[in-house]
Amino acid sequence: DTAVSQTPKYLVTQMGNDKSIKCEQNLGHDTMYWYKQDSKKFLKIMFSYNNKELIINETVPNRFSPKSPDKAHLNLHINSLELGDSAVYFCASSQALLGTQYFGPGTRLLVL
Amino acid sequence: QQQVKQSPQSLIVQKGGISIINCAYENTAFDYFPWYQQFPGKGPALLIAIRPDVSEKKEGRFTISFNKSAKQFSLHIMDSQPGDSATYFCAASISAGNMLTFGGGTRLMVKP
Repeated sequence: DTAVSQTPKYLVTQMGNDKSIKCEQNLGHDTMYWYKQDSKKFLKIMFSYNNKELIINETVPNRFSPKSPDKAHLNLHINSLELGDSAVYFCASSQALLGTQYFGPGTRLLVL
Repeated sequence: QQQVKQSPQSLIVQKGGISIINCAYENTAFDYFPWYQQFPGKGPALLIAIRPDVSEKKEGRFTISFNKSAKQFSLHIMDSQPGDSATYFCAASISAGNMLTFGGGTRLMVKP
């Protein structure tokens, strides 16, 4: 009964490939997020998605695109993977305006 | 531009001691300040949060002190335990349900 789940847990791929990471939350929240944690543990917001409104961090390359089939899911698709995309990607969810963001376990992406 | 600055980067405390982590922010529009705890291989988990209308909030051994005029807030962990060893992140957002801006993290080690 994991609150926020992500698949896969690990992802190793070659430069130039396209890959997707899936996220699902069973908390009934209306807002979901993607964060990137780099090798120095720095956490940075990439996107938030609320009721079909997408807010994008302007520093995120357009090779990254979130896709939300429904309120409980927010997937992250990455085109033309680069070495610098290697990181841990965290999905999170919250109920708008109530605060607490619940994070998933992370997807460790390694681009070779 | 790093909007939330966190110090120290690492901290070693003896069991039973007090751990203190400090954060400073720049954006005066921030009005929600959570602290997250992250264990290796796991996602961040909310520890405690404060809003600027109070100067202190305590939950068990964890206390947030907030200084609005100085734009600073800190986490105090009383009676630190080896199980508290983790990476701690301060964060800030404009209202509770919005994207979080994280500090750089503090790796805490509590020695038995």
